[in-house]
Amino acid sequence: KAGVTQTPRYLIKTRGQQVTLSCSPISGHRSVSWYQQTPGQGLQFLFEYFSETQRNKGNFPGRFSGRQFSNSRSEMNVSTLELGDSALYLCASSLAGEDTGELFFGEGSRLTVL
Amino acid sequence: GQNIDQPTEMTATEGAIVQINCTYQTSGFNGLFWYQQHAGEAPTFLSYNVLDGLEEKGRFSSFLSRSKGYSYLLLKELQMKDSASYLCAAGYQAGTALIFGKGTTLSVSS
Repeated sequence: KAGVTQTPRYLIKTRGQQVTLSCSPISGHRSVSWYQQTPGQGLQFLFEYFSETQRNKGNFPGRFSGRQFSNSRSEMNVSTLELGDSALYLCASSLAGEDTGELFFGEGSRLTVL
Repeated sequence: GQNIDQPTEMTATEGAIVQINCTYQTSGFNGLFWYQQHAGEAPTFLSYNVLDGLEEKGRFSSFLSRSKGYSYLLLKELQMKDSASYLCAAGYQAGTALIFGKGTTLSVSS
């Protein structure tokens, strides 16, 4: 069973640009969550999508957005990039039923903003 | 906000036992997760506690006290491969919006 796949794995952007990151969840998983990981703040929740609807949203500015497609694949977009957006962006999928809520993480997309 | 507190770093030797503590805010709490993250890799699930008490899974055990807002992860018979960051995370609402601590970096030496 394939794991969570994130693309691209690494990318470099400059301030003001925008970026789109992609996540393919484990087959059968309908929930996709996005987290930002930095050395100073650790893992911070961005948003969660379930059945193409945003179910939860973290405390990030509106420059951070996402969506989920009918096949459960998800994308997140960051517009008007700032230096502080440099981070590892992790996607996690789960069954999202009445379960333990165990998250299966992808390897992440490491974004560097110059 | 909902803060999760855990020690930043811990060191131990092979074969030893180490306990990583975690405290969280109890209001609206659903359950407590522990994840392991090796450097440069994705976090992987270790345990989930929703009721008070100890859950044992091989060399790893996790404990929860809901009234005290306290959990710990116990690692026995430490091995070098256990050197990693251990992330405590609490769930406060439906879905998967977990609040993570900043992680405890465990270094195991021979």
